[in-house]
Amino acid sequence: GAVVSQHPSWVICKSGTSVKIECRSLDFQATTMFWYRQFPKQSLMLMATSNEGSKATYEQGVEKDKFLINHASLTLSTLTVTSAHPEDSSFYICSALLAGATYEQYFGPGTRLTVT
Amino acid sequence: QKEVEQNSGPLSVPEGAIASLNCTYSDRGSQSFFWYRQYSGKSPELIMFIYSNGDKEDGRFTAQLNKASQYVSLLIRDSQPSDSATYLCAGGSNYQLIWGAGTKLIIKP
Repeated sequence: GAVVSQHPSWVICKSGTSVKIECRSLDFQATTMFWYRQFPKQSLMLMATSNEGSKATYEQGVEKDKFLINHASLTLSTLTVTSAHPEDSSFYICSALLAGATYEQYFGPGTRLTVT
Repeated sequence: QKEVEQNSGPLSVPEGAIASLNCTYSDRGSQSFFWYRQYSGKSPELIMFIYSNGDKEDGRFTAQLNKASQYVSLLIRDSQPSDSATYLCAGGSNYQLIWGAGTKLIIKP
C-alpha cells in the first residue's frame, strides 16, 4: 500500500521550453502532496505544498510563476517547470500525504530533469 | 528557526554490528518523527515513524524518541551492506515537517 508514481522518470529539454511532471497516488487518496527538489549530494528542499482544489503554497524563494503546480484531483498533482534554464536541472521528487494520526509522506521515484 | 540536525557522516559500521543514527530537533511542538532511507540517485523510502516517548521496534530497526531531550535515534541491528544509504530524519506537527540533512551510513563487509 501507499504507492506513489511519478512520470516521467527522466527528461531532457532545451532551455526556454516547459516541462510537466506528474505525481499520482496509486492506492490512496491524497488531499495534500509535496514537491521537493534535490541537487547532487544535498538534502531535500521543499518547494511547495499542493492541496487538492486550492492553490499551492510555495516556500520562500521558490518562484510560483516558474514552477506551476496543479492538484486537480485526489490522486494527481502536476508540476510544470516553465521557461526552463540549465540551473533548473535537478532531481524533482513528489510525495503524497497519508493523512491520519501520524501523517506519513510517501515519495514517488523522482524525475531527473536536465535542461540543455 | 525550527531545525532538525543530523551528523552528515559518513558513519562506518562493520557488517553485523549495530548502527546508531541520531537526530536532534529544536521545535518542542513537534509531535511526529520519521526516518527515511535514501539510496544514491533514488527517492526517500519511509523506514519508521514514532510519536510517543520510548522505543518502537520493527524488525531490525528500532526508533527511539526522547521529547525531554529533543532527540530521536534509529538503531539498525545486524547491519547489512544493503543498509548503506543516507538516512533522513524529519519531525513536525501534522504534515509540516522539518527535514534533517541526512547521515550517510556505510556498512563494511
